[in-house]
Parts: sequence; structure tokens; C-alpha cells
Amino acid sequence: EDKVVQSPLSLVVHEGDTVTLNCSYEVTNFRSLLWYKQEKKAPTFLFMLTSSGIEKKSGRLSSILDKKELFSILNITATQTGDSAVYLCAGAGSGTYKYIFGTGTRLKVLA
Amino acid sequence: NAGVTQTPKFQVLKTGQSMTLQCAQDMNHNSMYWYRQDPGMGLRLIYYSASEGTTDKGEVPNGYNVSRLNKREFSLRLESAAPSQTSVYFCASRALQGQETQYFGPGTRLLVL
Repeated sequence: EDKVVQSPLSLVVHEGDTVTLNCSYEVTNFRSLLWYKQEKKAPTFLFMLTSSGIEKKSGRLSSILDKKELFSILNITATQTGDSAVYLCAGAGSGTYKYIFGTGTRLKVLA
Repeated sequence: NAGVTQTPKFQVLKTGQSMTLQCAQDMNHNSMYWYRQDPGMGLRLIYYSASEGTTDKGEVPNGYNVSRLNKREFSLRLESAAPSQTSVYFCASRALQGQETQYFGPGTRLLVL
């Protein structure tokens, strides 16, 4: 059975800290891994990763995929209170329209 | 563009009542999805529709039915609501195979008493 596991479940940091969120996956015929940010309502897309070792970057956020070890990390540098959210990762396999989501990491950034 | 819209935003039902959650997208997307989100459980796929005229079960389809009415609309029906169906329901859509980004609606919070 396909699964995606995220760690830690929750994290509290202070503004300016750097955080690393983890996502490991077991997805049949793996195609892609996606990261989403969820504040109060709907998840919003952050990154899509399909190839190992290629870093995706957007401002202070970056992410990378390791297809050999079956995991991805999401890094946030110089955290701000606006980064407080639940971060979700999801995996998808080839030939399917389905996405398997992890349970999420709840990040709280204190001023 | 409104993106993905869902109605209602909030609903309270009694056990055994039925209701339909509505979802519509104006982005001309082919695929649409229904998820439920429970505390500590992440997003779990209930049903999806790869294209107009097709629907398939996801991880947790029991107790639900869906209708892909046309390309824009994808509804989720609870025939006989149970307290275990208390959750937040999200609808999402995606453009084409190969375009992975899902766009989510604002969610429907459902409480079954």
C-alpha cells in the first residue's frame, strides 16, 4: 500500500530560525512529489519535484528530492511568523490520477 | 476567475440525514477530486474524476457517492450521514495529465450529530 510519512508532526521555532521538514514516501511507480502550505483554509501549492538532486527554490523556501532514499525535504530559512502553517507533502505514481498525502507538519513560528 | 468554489461552507446534519456538497471550477480543468481532512490524518482521497463522465474510488469511499455533472461540476453526496463523517471536505481540480498542481476550494466544514 502506498504511503507518505512526514516528520516531525509539529515544530515550534523562533523568527529567524531555519527549519527542515521531512517527507518519506513509498509510492508505486513514483512520478512526482508535491509540497503544499495550508494556513487556515485550502492548501496552496509550493513545489513539485520529479528528479533527484535538483533543488527547487522560491524565496526563503527550497526543496529537494532523493529518489534513491525515497524522501524529500523542505527547508525554510530566516523563518517569519507568516510561515506558521501546516505543510503537506503528497506523492503520485505513474498512470494514476491519485495523490497520497502525508499527515502534515504543523509549524509555529514565534515572534 | 473564481477558481474552485464549494457550497455550503458549513453544515450541521443529524445522523441519517442526507446532503450533497457542491463543487465547481471555472479553469476548464479535466480532473476533479474530493478529499476529507481530519485532525492528525492529513488529506484522504474520497473519490476522483479523471475526466468528464468518469469517476473512481479513492482511499475512503464508503458512505459517499459522487456525480461529475459536467466538466465544471463535481458533487459529493452523503446518503445517510454518520458522526464518523464529521470532517472538513475539500474539492480540488487539476488541468491535464502532466500538470501536477491541484487547486483546492475553500472547504466545507460538516458536523454530524
